[in-house]
Formats: sequence, C-alpha cells, structure tokens
Amino acid sequence: AQSVTQPDIHITVSEGASLELRCNYSYGATPYLFWYVQSPGQGLQLLLKYFSGDTLVQGIKGFEAEFKRSQSSFNLRKPSVHWSDAAEYFCAVGSRGSQGNLIFGKGTKLSVKP
Amino acid sequence: GAGVSQTPSNKVTEKGKYVELRCDPISGHTALYWYRQSLGQGPEFLIYFQGTGAADDSGLPNDRFFAVRPEGSVSTLKIQRTERGDSAVYLCASSLVGSGTYNEQFFGPGTRLTVL
Repeated sequence: AQSVTQPDIHITVSEGASLELRCNYSYGATPYLFWYVQSPGQGLQLLLKYFSGDTLVQGIKGFEAEFKRSQSSFNLRKPSVHWSDAAEYFCAVGSRGSQGNLIFGKGTKLSVKP
Repeated sequence: GAGVSQTPSNKVTEKGKYVELRCDPISGHTALYWYRQSLGQGPEFLIYFQGTGAADDSGLPNDRFFAVRPEGSVSTLKIQRTERGDSAVYLCASSLVGSGTYNEQFFGPGTRLTVL
C-alpha cells in the first residue's frame, strides 16, 4: 500500500538558519510527489511538485526539494528561513495514470525562533 | 479569481444528528475532491468526482457518509447519525482535468466539524 512518512512531528529553527524537512514514501513505482504548506486557518497551498526529469525541483517562497529514488525520499529544503515560514508542512504522493486522490504524510510543524 | 470556498467554516452538532457540508470549487474545475483531516494528522482522501459522477469513493469510511455533485459544480458532503469520531476538518479541493497530465489540486479553507 502507498504511504508517506514524515519522521519529524515538530521542528524549531532560528530565523535565517537553513531548513530540511524529511519525507519518505512507499510506492510501487515513481509517484507524483508534492509538498504543501498549511498556515493556521488557511487552506493547503502547493509549494512544489515532482513529476519527472530533473530531480531537484524549485518551488515558491524559496523552497526546493530533491527526489532521491534510491532512498524513496523527497526532502524539502530552504537555505534561509523567515519567520513567516512558520506553518505545518505536508508531503504527499499521487498515483500516476490517475487524476485521483493524494496520500498525505502526518505533517511537520515548523516553528521559527527570532 | 475566487478560490475554493467551503461553508460553513465551523459546524457544531450533537451525536446522532445529520450534517451537510458544502463546497464551491473554482469555476471551470471539473474534478472535485473531499478529504478529512483529524487533529494531528494529514488529510485523508474521502471521495473524488469527475463532473457529476463519483470516480473514486474508496475513502468514505462507512455508509453514513455520502457526497453528491448533481450539476458538476457545487458538492455536498452528507454525514448521517454523526459520531464523536467524525469530528475533524473536512477539506475540499478542485482541479482541472486534462488528459496525460496531472493537475494541481487547489484546496479550500475547510469546515471544522465538532460532534458533541
């Protein structure tokens, strides 16, 4: 069965520090991969996605993610975190050949220290 | 343009009651999705519509849950005989559907359902 694991429930970083949020997936083939951000009271917003091609993908708000097939990982990174990045981040997989549902991880809550 | 809207934003009901949650997708989006997000969890898929028909309802937890989209636009998620375990945020998303490519799902702000 498909699944997504985000090992870190809560991460705290200092403003200006670098960030890496981990995501591992279990899937029979290469899935579509996504990172979403959810701020309090807001809907989920897509940060970036990977379908194929270059394994390093750039997203909005200065985020990037790298797909590593050998590790079944799709970690999210940002070189310098801003206080406004504090939110909950969700990794998700989607099935190729389908326009259907996404499978989400449990999320990582990011806190930013001034 | 307008995004996905959901009403009500909050709904408090008593155990055993019936509730309806509404989703207005982005205009022109033919695909519509319902997810449920329990506290401390990621969203879980419930049902997916292409146009008026449910293309995949495998995520509906039991027959107390039902969803419709009669005109291929607005959708209503219906929950009968609510239970305390149904308390969650119910998220709706919509997307364009095109052949051969994956289309981004745009999410609404959700409806927070509390069953007392």
